[in-house]
Amino acid sequence: DQQVKQNSPSLSVQEGRISILNCDYTNSMFDYFLWYKKYPAEGPTFLISISSIKDKNEDGRFTVFLNKSAKHLSLHIVPSQPGDSAVYFCAARSGGSNYKLTFGKGTLLTVNP
Amino acid sequence: EADIYQTPRYLVIGTGKKITLECSQTMGHDKMYWYQQDPGMELHLIHYSYGVNSTEKGDLSSESTVSRIRTEHFPLTLESARPSHTSQYLCASREENNSPLHFGNGTRLTVT
Repeated sequence: DQQVKQNSPSLSVQEGRISILNCDYTNSMFDYFLWYKKYPAEGPTFLISISSIKDKNEDGRFTVFLNKSAKHLSLHIVPSQPGDSAVYFCAARSGGSNYKLTFGKGTLLTVNP
Repeated sequence: EADIYQTPRYLVIGTGKKITLECSQTMGHDKMYWYQQDPGMELHLIHYSYGVNSTEKGDLSSESTVSRIRTEHFPLTLESARPSHTSQYLCASREENNSPLHFGNGTRLTVT
């Protein structure tokens, strides 16, 4: 049973436009959410996170929105750049002392020049 | 940013061989993790450690074993490799509380 779902395997956008990557989750015990970016042949790199007590977190071109009632979060990249082309993973952590992340399958973002 | 190193980057090995995937970090992080990922799939936690002499199995059952004799070193061993072990293995570490995981570049293992 997949607790973190990224339903779009891929997304293609034009340079300069907004990229919106979506993530849905089913476990109401998740209290912390992260986005990772992964280039081919490299490990995932942390991008941005959000606590469940917030509904928005912004870092430069990257903004994450959390809708707890819908169990949905999204990552907005504005403006998109060709260097943003990568696989983006959504991850969630359950509350409590254990820090174990549950990952989605990822979305391949391609930003075309 | 954490420095975390994995060797080898790529490994092709025959069935039945014993292999050890190395993972080292230089940041003094107590908490370390091993994830397994197949192409197009999610990362699955297979082992984790909260410090020296602490190891726990993750959510995905794995025939591999780990050890944590030193803070900076968290190797993963397969006693007898099989084709079903073909995958990418990612090591990660983190600081305390809500700090994010920092990943190494992974080892892509192919068992023939």
